This record gives sequence, C-alpha cells and structure tokens, in this order.
Amino acid sequence: GAVVSQHPSRVICKSGTSVKIECRSLDFQATTMFWYRQFPKKSLMLMATSNEGSKATYEQGVEKDKFLINHASLTLSTLTVTSAHPEDSSFYICSAAELRGGRNIQYFGAGTRLSVL
Amino acid sequence: DAKTTQPPSMDCAEGRAANLPCNHSTISGNEYVYWYRQIHSQGPQYIIHGLKNNETNEMASLIITEDRKSSTLILPHATLRDTAVYYCIVRVQGGSEKLVFGKGTKLTVNP
Repeated sequence: GAVVSQHPSRVICKSGTSVKIECRSLDFQATTMFWYRQFPKKSLMLMATSNEGSKATYEQGVEKDKFLINHASLTLSTLTVTSAHPEDSSFYICSAAELRGGRNIQYFGAGTRLSVL
Repeated sequence: DAKTTQPPSMDCAEGRAANLPCNHSTISGNEYVYWYRQIHSQGPQYIIHGLKNNETNEMASLIITEDRKSSTLILPHATLRDTAVYYCIVRVQGGSEKLVFGKGTKLTVNP
C-alpha cells in the first residue's frame, strides 16, 4: 500500500511552547489529509480535514486557533499545536486519502506522541 | 456514516483462522465496508474494503452478507503479530469522506 510518513514520532515540550507535526504522502498525491487524536485506551477521534490549497475543516469542539493546519502541497500537511499545555498530551495521527482506479483508501502515518510538561 | 457494532474482544489460537464479525444494519446502498487494524502505539493499517461482493487480498478475506447488514473479516492463519484492535467502518467512497472509528475488536492471538 501507499506510504504516509509522519514526523516527529515523539516530542516532549514545555508548557506554552508550540509543536509542529508533519505528514507526508511519499508515493502519491493527496488532496485531502486528516488529523486524528487518540487518548490512552480510546479510539481515534477526528480533529480536522485538511484540503490542499484551502482552509481545514474542523470537527466540533476542536479549536482551530490552537490546532493550526496547513496543507500547502499535495504531499504535505502540517499540524501545529500552539501554546501547548499538559492536557494536549496525546497521540496524534495523520492520514492521507489515495484515489486510484476508482479506489479510495486512507493510509495512516505512524503517529506522533506528544508529551507536554 | 452508518454505525457499526463489533464485539469488544476476541481470542484466537496461533495458526487458526480468526473470524471477526461486524454488524452494520443501517448501511446505505452507496456505503462501503472498510477494515483497519491498529497495533499498539502505531497508526492504523488498512486491511481491506468492499461494497457487496466478497473480497480477498494478501492480508485477509472480507465476507459481506447478501443483505449487506453484516460482514466478517477473516484472517486465515493468525499469527502473534496479528494481535491488534480491528476496526470495521462504513462510509461512502469519496476522497474527502472521513473515517469514523468506533471502539473496534481487540483480537488477541495466543501461542
């Protein structure tokens, strides 16, 4: 299957700092990427849908000014957690939609574990 | 998206077939059935998807009932590395269509 690279895999930061997470589709172009958050022993929760060249669509309850999403190219989307606080500590996962031959499959990155001290 | 119902957990012996059920009784005619799995502390991995016909690939087989109200994911020869949470998701096949994850089934493959 297609490959989605997510970086960094783990980050530890101080409260109040900003953290940027990158999501790249390595062997296909993705007009749409998605950002999820997962708390321990819980399922994935969609945060936002990232569309290349336009503003992201955020799910209800997700602060767009806190979780900045940029999808500047067909292979790269970034999520910036601004002024991170301990409650933002979580596992963040991105996915990219590959459209090929009538098939539509989302492939996921390996995730970024964020710990805010 | 239609909701799905899966058992919270299942056990399987190594080398045996693992059959994971999923109920999606309110599925619409244009919704596909997708299966993903998540191994601990990793991103979800795509397994297989289908509309109404049974599907098979190198990882698994997907059996969809004729009325499409339920399906079964079959791992023909489970290994210890197949221990994961398996998610059954139904959605329309559009590029911007999001995946809504339920609680899934925690499959434990025992030696």
